[in-house]
Amino acid sequence: GENVEQHPSTLSVQEGDSAVIKCTYSDSASNYFPWYKQELGKRPQLIIDIRSNVGEKKDQRIAVTLNKTAKHFSLHITETQPEDSAVYFCAASGGSSNTGKLIFGQGTTLQVKP
Amino acid sequence: GAVVSQHPSRVICKSGTSVKIECRSLDFQATTMFWYRQFPKQSLMLMATSNEGSKATYEQGVEKDKFLINHASLTLSTLTVTSAHPEDSSFYICSASPGGKYTEAFFGQGTRLTVV
Repeated sequence: GENVEQHPSTLSVQEGDSAVIKCTYSDSASNYFPWYKQELGKRPQLIIDIRSNVGEKKDQRIAVTLNKTAKHFSLHITETQPEDSAVYFCAASGGSSNTGKLIFGQGTTLQVKP
Repeated sequence: GAVVSQHPSRVICKSGTSVKIECRSLDFQATTMFWYRQFPKQSLMLMATSNEGSKATYEQGVEKDKFLINHASLTLSTLTVTSAHPEDSSFYICSASPGGKYTEAFFGQGTRLTVV
């Protein structure tokens, strides 16, 4: 089955700097790659996603890149702000088994220092 | 957007009892729903795929007799933790999607289960 690896597990940046989180996946049939932000005790919130037919997507300060050949995708947050501090998860879906079924990475705790 | 509602949000139960968690899709029909478990400071781990009108598909290592899943309608899936023990204490969360080849997952609010 699908396996998703996420790095780093923790990331501390100064306010205004950029943050990059990387994920790799194992199932070459996966075609949907969402990124979630989760605050303590809350449901994951989708912040950006990318389909396998595009290589990059941007939404204001957030961007995601996908390299299908290498089977990795990355989240880029620019001009970080203290409110960006949270746990971020990547996920992969739509592989050989089932769409909607998400396999999550291990998570990255992002701390943005004022 | 699509809304998934999960209840209860918190539950405390005694060891040995059973707890039922409901997951409802409020404005769309879902033939498939997914149940995840999240231990503190860990990731969301897929437990099972709930299939409307048929048996659930469990991930490796998840006991189907302990975590009973029923998906009797297109808008409701339930997860029953049977004979709960303290090690079952966790955050349980469901998701569902309106369907289609590419589809965003919508999550319930999650249920914090504490077994004492």
